[in-house]
Amino acid sequence: EAGVVQSPRYKIIEKKQPVAFWCNPISGHNTLYWYRQNLGQGPELLIRYENEEAVDDSQLPKDRFSAERLKGVDSTLKIQPAELGDSAVYLCASRPGQGGEKLFFGSGTQLSVL
Amino acid sequence: GESVGLHLPTLSVQEGDNSIINCAYSNSASDYFIWYKQESGKGPQFIIDIRSNMDKRQGQRVTVLLNKTVKHLSLQIAATQPGDSAVYFCAENGDTGFQKLVFGTGTRLLVSP
Repeated sequence: EAGVVQSPRYKIIEKKQPVAFWCNPISGHNTLYWYRQNLGQGPELLIRYENEEAVDDSQLPKDRFSAERLKGVDSTLKIQPAELGDSAVYLCASRPGQGGEKLFFGSGTQLSVL
Repeated sequence: GESVGLHLPTLSVQEGDNSIINCAYSNSASDYFIWYKQESGKGPQFIIDIRSNMDKRQGQRVTVLLNKTVKHLSLQIAATQPGDSAVYFCAENGDTGFQKLVFGTGTRLLVSP
């Protein structure tokens, strides 16, 4: 079974440019998460989806960040415009809707904003 | 707010030794705890989890201990191997049920041959 797939693996952009990350969760997993991981720290939740509905986006900086999961499967996370402080690893995770507590993570997208 | 922290940022051990990684949590409402291993350039990988109705759970070479009285969690790795070198994170579910996980800062485990 394929795990959580993310792309790109690395992205280098200049500040004020837009950037987008893509995630394909494990098949059948209804719950999808985007986490941000700063260097030397644990992941911090940005947004959680239940199917196509964003049910927890309280920690998403909505002035510049947006996310979507239109068909309840793949998801994209966008930053526009990017700032220097956005440099981090962006992790996608998924979980079965019922009967599963642990999150399965992708390898992440490492973003460097110059 | 809720927080999960680790006592030791770096732990260095010799191959074959047993390793113990500690974690303190602050949210007494948490009833689910989990340990992840993260190797360089990779996402967190599940190691073991435990619910609050248990105080110990064993896996292959790993044991998680939960002490709810002092809000303490530990991960024990038996016969540590060089492949165990990574950053280890504990996480808790807070008062969210199983909806999300709150992660601690992490402990780096260095295993010398």
